[in-house]
Amino acid sequence: DAKTTQPPSMDCAEGRAANLPCNHSTISGNEYVYWYRQIHSQGPQYIIHGLKNNETNEMASLIITEDRKSSTLILPHATLRDTAVYYCIVRSSGGGADGLTFGKGTHLIIQP
Amino acid sequence: GAVVSQHPSRVICKSGTSVKIECRSLDFQATTMFWYRQFPKQSLMLMATSNEGSKATYEQGVEKDKFLINHASLTLSTLTVTSAHPEDSSFYICSAPTLQGNNEQFFGPGTRLTVL
Repeated sequence: DAKTTQPPSMDCAEGRAANLPCNHSTISGNEYVYWYRQIHSQGPQYIIHGLKNNETNEMASLIITEDRKSSTLILPHATLRDTAVYYCIVRSSGGGADGLTFGKGTHLIIQP
Repeated sequence: GAVVSQHPSRVICKSGTSVKIECRSLDFQATTMFWYRQFPKQSLMLMATSNEGSKATYEQGVEKDKFLINHASLTLSTLTVTSAHPEDSSFYICSAPTLQGNNEQFFGPGTRLTVL
């Protein structure tokens, strides 16, 4: 799986959009970008994933650059409960039978 | 979404004892489950892959005789930490993939193990 690079921490004001970047310059053609988050002392939670098109669900939006070397996770209206460590993971679509490789992620802190 | 549970959520044991942690998929079947370990202020590290009806596969550096894994049914995997020592104190988390659509993985809530 391709390696990812994320900033170690970010702050965002409550109610604002939180934009979390991820670099994955070695991504290959069959690899998807997945985002998970981990709230303190809980198991990780799936957020969203995408291949090359932008994606949106009830939790977030995922913007992937045209060259697929980077992406941005957008939480449109951040709340205090969005404070967590966010992990960007690149893996192939057929990788369901493989465990995930977690990097250090971005610790997002939502400020009141 | 699918639900994965773990039991117990928290356990404290004496050094030298063995501790069993259960991971259950509550509303779907999982032929494969994964076990992770997370030390304070660190990321999750994959320990092993639990395979229903066959032996688990362990990541490099993980002692298979110390971390016994049994995947006895399509909804249950257990991790037994044998002869636990204080350095085994950690947050243990399991996950199971849906193997449908997006290959999303569902994680359990984790088990906090403290070895005295």
